[in-house]
Formats: sequence, structure tokens, C-alpha cells
Amino acid sequence: GQSLEQPSEVTAVEGAIVQMNCTYQTSGFYGLSWYQQHDGGAPTFLSYNALDGLEETGRFSSFLSRSDSYGYLLLQELQMKDSASYFCAVRDQGGATNKLIFGTGTLLAVQP
Amino acid sequence: NAGVTQTPKFQVLKTGQSMTLQCAQDMNHNSMYWYRQDPGMGLRLIYYSASEGTTDKGEVPNGYNVSRLNKREFSLRLESAAPSQTSVYFCASNRPGRINEKLFFGSGTQLSVL
Repeated sequence: GQSLEQPSEVTAVEGAIVQMNCTYQTSGFYGLSWYQQHDGGAPTFLSYNALDGLEETGRFSSFLSRSDSYGYLLLQELQMKDSASYFCAVRDQGGATNKLIFGTGTLLAVQP
Repeated sequence: NAGVTQTPKFQVLKTGQSMTLQCAQDMNHNSMYWYRQDPGMGLRLIYYSASEGTTDKGEVPNGYNVSRLNKREFSLRLESAAPSQTSVYFCASNRPGRINEKLFFGSGTQLSVL
């Protein structure tokens, strides 16, 4: 089966940089996704890493190390609106079924 | 283009009552999913449908049934609601024919079972 571990909470100040980690165990691996969810809202897709290395999209970057079964989401120049929960997700084994299993999420609190 | 639409947004049931959560997408996606979200538990997959006419169990299928009515619609039914099914339910879909991780979510249904 699959399991993902994320820290439950992270606190950072406006303008700072924060890193949120995700470790996973899977019997087959296809890639690591990240989703953002504001309180009371729906999850929205942020990024996807299929290969080792860093993917950057504006203030958001996501990193993957397949050999370490580890990834992280990096947020730069933090803004108050970044306060949200962040989930990592991996695809269940079986390839073509393309169903995602989510971690329990990290709640990011950005303070002024 | 509305994306993924779920109804209702809120529902209160008594134990033993039944109800169906509706979901429709207008993005021509083959795959559709139902997740539930409980505090501290993240998103857990209930059922999914890889394509029209097929459905499969996810992580927590007990107490639920699904119907993939057509390519657009995927409904979730609670036959006899229990307090343990109090949760926020999200429907999601994604693109056909590709290995693609991006899920599009509906706005959710907050369900309380008393």
C-alpha cells in the first residue's frame, strides 16, 4: 500500500521562506503532487514532480528525491494569503487507474 | 465552463436516512472521484470511476455506493447514514488519456449525520 507523512503544522512570518516536507512509502512510484486548500475551500493543484529535482512556478517550488522517497514544497516571499493547508499526494499502484492518495496535510500559518 | 459542480453544499441527516450526493463535470474528463475529508485525516478516497461504465473502491468504501450515470455525472449514495459519515465530501475529475496528476475539485458538500 501507500502512506505519506507530513508535519501537521508550520508557522512562518510574512516575507519569509518556508519548506514543507513529505515522505512517502509506495510499492510503485509515478510522481509526487502538491495541493493547496484554504479553510472552507476545495483543494487546488499546485505542482507535480515525476523526476528528481526542483520545479519552480513563481513563488512556489517543489522538490523530489526518489532515492530518498522524499519531497518538499518551498514557498518564498510568504504572504498572508498563503495561510492554508498543503497536501502531498502520490498515485496508487496500478498506473493507468490514476487515482491519488493524499497525505494528512500541513497547516501553514503565516504571521505578520 | 463551470468545472466540477457538486450538490448540495450542506445537508443534515438523521441516522438511518439515505441521500445521494450529485457531481457533474463539464471538462470532458474520463476519470471521476469521491473523497471525504475529516479533521486531521486529510483526503481519503471513497470510490472512483476511471471511465464511463466502471467504478472501483478506494480506501474507505464501506457504507457508500456510487453510480457513473454518464461521462459527466458521478453520484455518491449513502443508503443508511451513520454519524461516522459526518464529513466534508469532495468530488473530483481529471483529464482523459494521459498520465496526469492534476485533479479538479468541486466545492464540497458538508454533511452532518445526527
